[in-house]
Amino acid sequence: AQSVTQPDIHITVSEGASLELRCNYSYGATPYLFWYVQSPGQGLQLLLKYFSGDTLVQGIKGFEAEFKRSQSSFNLRKPSVHWSDAAEYFCAVGNLGYKLSFGAGTTVTVRA
Amino acid sequence: DGGITQSPKYLFRKEGQNVTLSCEQNLNHDAMYWYRQDPGQGLRLIYYSQIVNDFQKGDIAEGYSVSREKKESFPLTVTSAQKNPTAFYLCASAGSSGNTIYFGEGSWLTVV
Repeated sequence: AQSVTQPDIHITVSEGASLELRCNYSYGATPYLFWYVQSPGQGLQLLLKYFSGDTLVQGIKGFEAEFKRSQSSFNLRKPSVHWSDAAEYFCAVGNLGYKLSFGAGTTVTVRA
Repeated sequence: DGGITQSPKYLFRKEGQNVTLSCEQNLNHDAMYWYRQDPGQGLRLIYYSQIVNDFQKGDIAEGYSVSREKKESFPLTVTSAQKNPTAFYLCASAGSSGNTIYFGEGSWLTVV
């Protein structure tokens, strides 16, 4: 069975500081990995995805993620956060797309 | 504009009543999904459909029903059998490769 763990429920970061969100997955084959962002009361927006190839993936809004097979991790990073990055972030794992499993999410608060 | 449209955005239902949430997409996507979101629990899959006139149960299908009579439409009915229906519902779709899922803006259902 596939599953995703996001160990941090809530992270507070200062504007301009770096951000790293952790994601650990369990999957029996080569995983397809995703990061989504959700603003309050809105749908989910795809930030980036990993299917194969280069293990460092670039996404929108200045985010990147690194796939580490040995650690079953797919952590999301941003070098310098903006106040507009305050949102909830979800990591997801799946196969050829027909069923994704999501983590419980990490809420990011940005302080001035 | 291409996208996924969910309606209504907010819905109130009395206990014992069925309610139907609409989801329409003009992305020509084959696969469509319904997820339920509760605070602190991430997204849970209710139903999904890979092609017209076919759908499968997800992880929490009890108390819900769906139909897929048209490629563009995947309505979800929350029946009176659903014990705790108050939640945020998200519709999603994916193209023929099925490897990236895109989301609508969601519908809030409150049982009063």
